[in-house]
Amino acid sequence: QQQVKQSPQSLIVQKGGISIINCAYENTAFDYFPWYQQFPGKGPALLIAIRPDVSEKKEGRFTISFNKSAKQFSLHIMDSQPGDSATYFCAAISGSARQLTFGSGTQLTVLP
Amino acid sequence: DAGVTQSPTHLIKTRGQQVTLRCSPKSGHDTVSWYQQALGQGPQFIFQYYEEEERQRGNFPDRFSGHQFPNYSSELNVNALLLGDSALYLCASSLGGYEQFFGPGTRLTVL
Repeated sequence: QQQVKQSPQSLIVQKGGISIINCAYENTAFDYFPWYQQFPGKGPALLIAIRPDVSEKKEGRFTISFNKSAKQFSLHIMDSQPGDSATYFCAAISGSARQLTFGSGTQLTVLP
Repeated sequence: DAGVTQSPTHLIKTRGQQVTLRCSPKSGHDTVSWYQQALGQGPQFIFQYYEEEERQRGNFPDRFSGHQFPNYSSELNVNALLLGDSALYLCASSLGGYEQFFGPGTRLTVL
């Protein structure tokens, strides 16, 4: 019940295109859903996060869409750039557990 | 304002040895969490420290232990190293536990 399922495993997008990564969860106790970006050899960097009382959050080119009834959330990267090429992880956390549960990651490649 | 720092950057040990990894949290943060990230996988939660006590623990054996100091910095100790302990060890700091910021990690190789 702690699992967060992420898809796709890898994604190739042309420069200027939209990248979409999806995640689904089972544990309804989760109440905070962050996305992390990780470059090779580096630690994950917090990109954007959402709470379940909001259906969408936008920060620059990054948007999280959240569907509480379906227990799904997604990351949209608009106008994708080669510099966005990285591994993206969705995650979830509950106030009682306080531990981040990560998805399996999506390796994004943006072609120039 | 310095972010989360970790030391050392890389470490090579042999099976059966013991290792200590260190973490300094982001300024103003009082909570430190440790994660293990195997190659090609998402980070797995080891444990979390708050007010110098282990507040939460993931599914890791007792060979993994930690400590938090009064200045909120933290150590992760792993005893009796196994080949499977080879991974990137990540420290994350937060104020309260939700918004967690990660350090660059320590790459541990066990031979």
